[in-house]
Amino acid sequence: GENVEQHPSTLSVQEGDSAVIKCTYSDSASNYFPWYKQELGKRPQLIIDIRSNVGEKKDQRIAVTLNKTAKHFSLHITETQPEDSAVYFCAASPANQFYFGTGTSLTVIP
Amino acid sequence: DAMVIQNPRYQVTQFGKPVTLSCSQTLNHNVMYWYQQKSSQAPKLLFHYYDKDFNNEADTPDNFQSRRPNTSFCFLDIRSPGLGDAAMYLCATSREGQNEQFFGPGTRLTVL
Repeated sequence: GENVEQHPSTLSVQEGDSAVIKCTYSDSASNYFPWYKQELGKRPQLIIDIRSNVGEKKDQRIAVTLNKTAKHFSLHITETQPEDSAVYFCAASPANQFYFGTGTSLTVIP
Repeated sequence: DAMVIQNPRYQVTQFGKPVTLSCSQTLNHNVMYWYQQKSSQAPKLLFHYYDKDFNNEADTPDNFQSRRPNTSFCFLDIRSPGLGDAAMYLCATSREGQNEQFFGPGTRLTVL
């Protein structure tokens, strides 16, 4: 089955700085890669996604890059704000399944 | 205008006492998922339905079963809950595979 690794597990940045979270996957059949933000006690919330026929996607302060050859993808958050503090999960989807990375706890220090 | 509804939001059961969690959706999505999320861990896929086709993950314990009587509803049955089954259980739907998932609010299960 698919194996998704995510780094780092914790990340602290100063407000206004950038944050980068990286994931790798193992199954070459995966071709959809969503990123989720999860606040304590709440459901995961999709923040951005990318398909394997695209190398990069941007939505305001959030961007995702995908290197299908190397089987890795990354989340970039620029101009971080305190409300960006949460746990972020990457996921990879082959067929109809979704496999999550282990999560990154992001703290933005005001 | 809730799209994915889970009931109950909080469930307390006793060790070994069967429990059923429910999920319903108003999106008419053909794929429904059940995840288990333990504290400080990632959601772990238990199984999913593509229409009526049931797909079990290889490492999902036999203690967990699921039913999907129609497009809108899906149930998670835990036949003999153990202390290790205490977790948040998340239901999600998607129109097709490899498309955006919509999550329900989750059911937090406590096993005494």
